[in-house]
Amino acid sequence: RKEVEQDPGPFNVPEGATVAFNCTYSNSASQSFFWYRQDCRKEPKLLMSVYSSGNEDGRFTAQLNRASQYISLLIRDSKLSDSATYLCVVTLQGGKLIFGQGTELSVKP
Amino acid sequence: DVKVTQSSRYLVKRTGEKVFLECVQDMDHENMFWYRQDPGLGLRLIYFSYDVKMKEKGDIPEGYSVSREKKERFSLILESASTSQTSMYLCASSLLTSSGFNYGYTFGSGTRLTVV
Repeated sequence: RKEVEQDPGPFNVPEGATVAFNCTYSNSASQSFFWYRQDCRKEPKLLMSVYSSGNEDGRFTAQLNRASQYISLLIRDSKLSDSATYLCVVTLQGGKLIFGQGTELSVKP
Repeated sequence: DVKVTQSSRYLVKRTGEKVFLECVQDMDHENMFWYRQDPGLGLRLIYFSYDVKMKEKGDIPEGYSVSREKKERFSLILESASTSQTSMYLCASSLLTSSGFNYGYTFGSGTRLTVV
């Protein structure tokens, strides 16, 4: 079993749609959680941290359920510029990051 | 903003060559990492370092070594390049607080290495 698993994708959605990505992790000792965005042939960039209470940044909402070891990312009112690969990331004690395989999102006009 | 700089964007090397990939960060971060990213395999950790002259093996260290002589610089070395090491190499740094909270990584722009 992979340490971090994500929806396989790709997700093809029209502009304005709401899309949700899910992620599960296997190590209950995971300490910090993040969503990264990676554009084609570019490096991953931090999109947002994920907190137990849930957090929102504009059109993006992230949720964490420690009991179920589950993380989600919700994107509302999708834009063409949201097209990218979204990586779910968890950290273990000591700061090592474990990356999911990523889910590709394509927003169409 | 933290800046992580990788010395080359694209490299082409011959099989058997010794290859050096350099990474420099400017925010005094203790932690530095080297990953490779391949289609269908995602990001895989090669080596990481929590301090000067300190190194730890990641998930796929075979065929690689690293050097961290100064806090800001973390070098990845391919001892004898092979075609299987053709990949995108990403360096990252992070700040880890004393309580263990991680603020996430900042990545360099990557080096696309082709071994022929």
